[in-house]
Formats: sequence, structure tokens, C-alpha cells
Amino acid sequence: EIVMTQSPATLSVSPGERATLSCRASQSVSSNLAWYQQKPGQAPRLLIYGASTRATGIPARFSGSGSGTEFTLTISSLQSEDFAVYYCQQYNNWPYSFGQGTKLEIK
Amino acid sequence: EVQLVQSGAEVKKPGESLKISCKGSGYSFSSNWIGWVRQMPGKGLEWMGTIYPGDSETRYSPSFQGQVTISADKSISTAYLQWSSLKASDSAMYYCARPGAPGWGQGTLVTVSS
Repeated sequence: EIVMTQSPATLSVSPGERATLSCRASQSVSSNLAWYQQKPGQAPRLLIYGASTRATGIPARFSGSGSGTEFTLTISSLQSEDFAVYYCQQYNNWPYSFGQGTKLEIK
Repeated sequence: EVQLVQSGAEVKKPGESLKISCKGSGYSFSSNWIGWVRQMPGKGLEWMGTIYPGDSETRYSPSFQGQVTISADKSISTAYLQWSSLKASDSAMYYCARPGAPGWGQGTLVTVSS
């Protein structure tokens, strides 16, 4: 099974600043990597798929990069609504697997 | 617009059976994998299994193999997750989702308590 490791577990950033979240796979997942945002009491929302393609309706301040085993989600200028938990997920090899999540909190 | 609409919350007793559903629309249901994700209270996301409705090929994550059954009825664009004998540890939120593609259900809260 592929293990997805996200870092850091918690990230404290001020509104308007840039946030960089990392996700590492224990073996290559090519570009079959998605990022999700989850707010309390809500279902996860797809932000990025194919490692770098924004889903419909996702603001341009969200961007994804990487391939193989190293991936990054960047939020260029944090807005108040961006503070949430973020998960990466690989869908290259069965069983699909999620990272443990990064909690993005207001500094 | 892709939509996945799940059945409502359930409260069950240990040992009871349960089948929850997820109806897809806005895309070709038969030609796309769809799966189920568990989220226990205060915890992260776990991919349970996935099914290809076109031919009913089903895959289970090792942790869930033998614990649940995933099925689909392509004629009504609906996927299912079922338990034959619930345990208290099955209490969680369950989401249907398309792997690596837009579309998550709103979630079905399952509570198992005596």
C-alpha cells in the first residue's frame, strides 16, 4: 500500500500571506494526486486533481505542483475562508490512500 | 453539473443490517469508478472501496474487505454500501466520491448504539 505523508500537521499563517502544504508518497503515483479542502461539518471539496488541475470553480490562488512522490499545494494569498483541513489523496494504485491532513489555522 | 446525493442519516443497533445509497447525476455513471470514504469522528479520511458500475468490478481496501459490501445499479445510477451486522465501531460519516474527479456526496451519518 502507498502511504501518503503530509507536512506539517498544523500550519499557522496570517491572512494575505502564502501557505505551502506538502504531500509525499511512499512510491511514485505519477500525477494521480488530488487535494481536498474540508471545513468543519462539511464534506470534503475537490480543489486539485491530476496534481495541478484546478477543479471547476476553484479560485486561482490555489495551485498544485509535483509528480512522482513529491507534491505541493500553494495558496498564494490566504483568505479567511481558506482556513480548514487539507488532504492529499493518491488514486494511482489500489488501494487509494489519503494523507493524514494538514490543518491550516489563522496566525 | 456532477451531483452525488446520499441517503439520510441512520441510527441502528449493534447486529442490525444497513444499506445506504448514493445517486449520481450529471455524468456517465456507468463509465466512471465511484467509491466510499469513511470519516470517523474527529479523524481523517479512509478510502473503503470502489466499484465500476458498468461491469460491477469492485475493489476493497484491506481494512474493509469482508466488513462491508459495495454494489451499484447502473439502471438507476445508484451505488450502495451495506453492512450485514453493524458494530458500534461502524459509527461514522460515510461519503460517496469519484476518485480523482469532481463529485462528493453530502455524507451519510451512521450511528450504531444499543
